[in-house]
Amino acid sequence: LAKTTQPISMDSYEGQEVNITCSHNNIATNDYITWYQQFPSQGPRFIIQGYKTKVTNEVASLFIPADRKSSTLSLPRVSLSDTAVYYCLVGDLENAGNMLTFGGGTRLMVKP
Amino acid sequence: DAGVTQSPTHLIKTRGQHVTLRCSPISGHKSVSWYQQVLGQGPQFIFQYYEKEERGRGNFPDRFSARQFPNYSSELNVNALLLGDSALYLCASSFRTSGNIQYFGAGTRLSVL
Repeated sequence: LAKTTQPISMDSYEGQEVNITCSHNNIATNDYITWYQQFPSQGPRFIIQGYKTKVTNEVASLFIPADRKSSTLSLPRVSLSDTAVYYCLVGDLENAGNMLTFGGGTRLMVKP
Repeated sequence: DAGVTQSPTHLIKTRGQHVTLRCSPISGHKSVSWYQQVLGQGPQFIFQYYEKEERGRGNFPDRFSARQFPNYSSELNVNALLLGDSALYLCASSFRTSGNIQYFGAGTRLSVL
């Protein structure tokens, strides 16, 4: 699975838009990009997944440039409850099976 | 609908003991994976099971073993516990073996004294 690099931590304030960027320079042609959110003492929760361009759901948007060597998770108008660790994962949907490789993640702190 | 359920929630053991952790996947999901998460780090893959067969194994010693039952529930067993086995153990389920969208349980917090 392609290695990912994310900022260790980020701070924001309630109501702001937060963008977390993940670098994956060695991404392969068949790899998808997936983001998970994890609160303390809970399991990770799927947020969004994409292959290229832009994907949006009710929770977040995922921006992927044409070269796919990075991706940006965008959280609109964050609240205190968005304080969590966010993980970026890259892997082949068909061949990686269920072996997810998590990095250190980005610890987002939302302040009032 | 019930999500992935794990039991027990918390567990305290002493070095050298054995532990069994249990996981029930989301109804209809046939694949179960186990992860170990040490405090401050991301989850590390231990095992994946699909249709009662092991489909993947992470870099963990043979003290770790698992199995999946006909109803797709799963057990993770750890023998000869070490202090370093203290962690949050997560179970995740998905419908197929392929695809990396998984649904995680809340985990079992294991403390080894």
